[in-house]
Amino acid sequence: GDSVTQTEGQVTVSESKSLIINCTYSATSIGYPNLFWYVRYPGEGLQLLLKVITAGQKGSSRGFEATYNKEATSFHLQKASVQESDSAVYYCALSDGNMGYKLTFGTGTSLLVDP
Amino acid sequence: EAGVTQSPRYAVLQEGQAVSFWCDPISGHDTLYWYQQPRDQGPQLLVYFRDEAVIDNSQLPSDRFSAVRPKGTNSTLKIQSAKQGDTATYLCASSSRGLYAEQFFGPGTRLTVL
Repeated sequence: GDSVTQTEGQVTVSESKSLIINCTYSATSIGYPNLFWYVRYPGEGLQLLLKVITAGQKGSSRGFEATYNKEATSFHLQKASVQESDSAVYYCALSDGNMGYKLTFGTGTSLLVDP
Repeated sequence: EAGVTQSPRYAVLQEGQAVSFWCDPISGHDTLYWYQQPRDQGPQLLVYFRDEAVIDNSQLPSDRFSAVRPKGTNSTLKIQSAKQGDTATYLCASSSRGLYAEQFFGPGTRLTVL
């Protein structure tokens, strides 16, 4: 079946420094999957941060970016300068490109930004 | 616009007890999902509905779990005889119709089975 791998369970970054959270995926369906980053801020529910449905394209939101790399099967999340308010848990996810309803999530990366 | 609401927010049970979780999706959303999220893991889809019909329940442990959405609006997920391995947060999400429609998540119900 489909799977998503996030290798870092927890990341600590100083405020104003750059960030990269790694995500790789494996999809078994014909065609390319849709890729997502979800975020859960402290005390809040899971919410969509950004999505990309076309291989080779880049998505961006709130200063975060992620590029759909079908050759490397990766969808890493990056930000040039993090803020304390970015402290949250970030989940990479994919859905079948043909049946887009089922989301498969990674295990999540907890980001702590030191002020 | 109100988001997805869930109740209760927390539940603590002994093994063998039953529990029900309730979800009210965003008004007008025809698709509703239930996810199970064990500690330190990502959410895993249990079942999803379009209107009142079950579309995929292949990951729902059918011997103890059941889910209904009788009028195509609110939904109930029930665990008949809870086990310690059921300890997790149960998330409900809803979306409008469409292949790329965003799923909106509720706050979840945190279940602990002792």
